[in-house]
Amino acid sequence: QQQVKQSPQSLIVQKGGISIINCAYENTAFDYFPWYQQFPGKGPALLIAIRPDVSEKKEGRFTISFNKSAKQFSLHIMDSQPGDSATYFCAASRSSTLGRLYFGRGTQLTVWP
Amino acid sequence: GAGVSQSPSNKVTEKGKDVELRCDPISGHTALYWYRQSLGQGLEFLIYFQGNSAPDKSGLPSDRFSAERTGGSVSTLTIQRTQQEDSAVYLCASSLKSGAGNTEAFFGQGTRLTVV
Repeated sequence: QQQVKQSPQSLIVQKGGISIINCAYENTAFDYFPWYQQFPGKGPALLIAIRPDVSEKKEGRFTISFNKSAKQFSLHIMDSQPGDSATYFCAASRSSTLGRLYFGRGTQLTVWP
Repeated sequence: GAGVSQSPSNKVTEKGKDVELRCDPISGHTALYWYRQSLGQGLEFLIYFQGNSAPDKSGLPSDRFSAERTGGSVSTLTIQRTQQEDSAVYLCASSLKSGAGNTEAFFGQGTRLTVV
């Protein structure tokens, strides 16, 4: 069973536009929600993360919106740039000593110049 | 080193041979993960080590796959009797667990395994 469901699978956005990627989870014990960015030939790298005590976190052009009641969270990329073209993964985990990261299937973002 | 180090970066092996993939996590990180990523696909969880706890092996696809972590540091993923469907990039990640909860997982560059 997929613990974290991510959509869309692929996304094409024009330069300057807003990219939105959505994720949903089932386990209410999850309390850490990171987003990872992966460029071809590289390992994923942490982009931004949120905990459920806040509904939004912003870092530069990247914003996570979190809806605890709906068990959903999303990544918004404002003023999308060609350099943002990459694969994005959402993830979730519990803050227990045994909690591991569960990843979504990824979204391949292409930003056209 | 400053980051997660994986070796070799590339490995070509003949079908039926055994391979060992190595991961050196960031010093002091108690959690270590192995993932598999096929071309253009997502991250397939394989195994998770956390401190001295029994590893979560629920993602290992068959009994040909095994992993160990010696002394809470270096980890080796072993694939026995490799098959062509084992061809993929194998990614290792480590993170520091603390009382405050999870922290960032750092990924290595991966080992690209090709079974011919």
